[in-house]
Amino acid sequence: GAGVSQTPSNKVTEKGKYVELRCDPISGHTALYWYRQSLGQGPEFLIYFQGTGAADDSGLPNDRFFAVRPEGSVSTLKIQRTERGDSAVYLCASSLRGGTGELFFGEGSRLTVL
Amino acid sequence: GQQVMQIPQYQHVQEGEDFTTYCNSSTTLSNIQWYKQRPGGHPVFLIQLVKSGEVKKQKRLTFQFGEAKKNSSLHITATQTTDVGTYFCAPGGSNYKLTFGKGTLLTVNP
Repeated sequence: GAGVSQTPSNKVTEKGKYVELRCDPISGHTALYWYRQSLGQGPEFLIYFQGTGAADDSGLPNDRFFAVRPEGSVSTLKIQRTERGDSAVYLCASSLRGGTGELFFGEGSRLTVL
Repeated sequence: GQQVMQIPQYQHVQEGEDFTTYCNSSTTLSNIQWYKQRPGGHPVFLIQLVKSGEVKKQKRLTFQFGEAKKNSSLHITATQTTDVGTYFCAPGGSNYKLTFGKGTLLTVNP
């Protein structure tokens, strides 16, 4: 597809479970970002990849959160031992080179932890 | 990332009225981007401002970057129902990280 694709679009899980959220960026975009958005708030930065490496993971809230991008394309955000406070929309965005360029966002994955 | 304050938090207007949202920083910004998010949707890029005092127009939308590069504004002339959504400013630092403001939610009464 032409845009950023995120799966699943919705995920309901129980407290304590493990969750994976996937992001397929626009082909050729080397920069990939994960944001988290709670209701009524702006997107909150989590992590930034340039190619395969996590250039900045300073936004990850704690060590339950981890993200990978092994081949420099698809990225997976992994959340262990989910908590109710993790409930949010997780947004993935990509840009051509990173830096100050336009971000193209996916539709997001809505995570609900019961 | 850079921290900004967006005001107002909410704005309700009658269709045809003008609308302005402001983004203020206590520090000098390298650049600033604006995004629009429709209800239930994802943020969509509108514009990037880089130069001091820059003014850019997109049809009914006018974007300004302050002379001191500490504030920015988005003005919509003669709002339409299609303008409904949340408008975010996102200052960029000298690096790649975009930090989003809390946004201004615009509702338009037809």
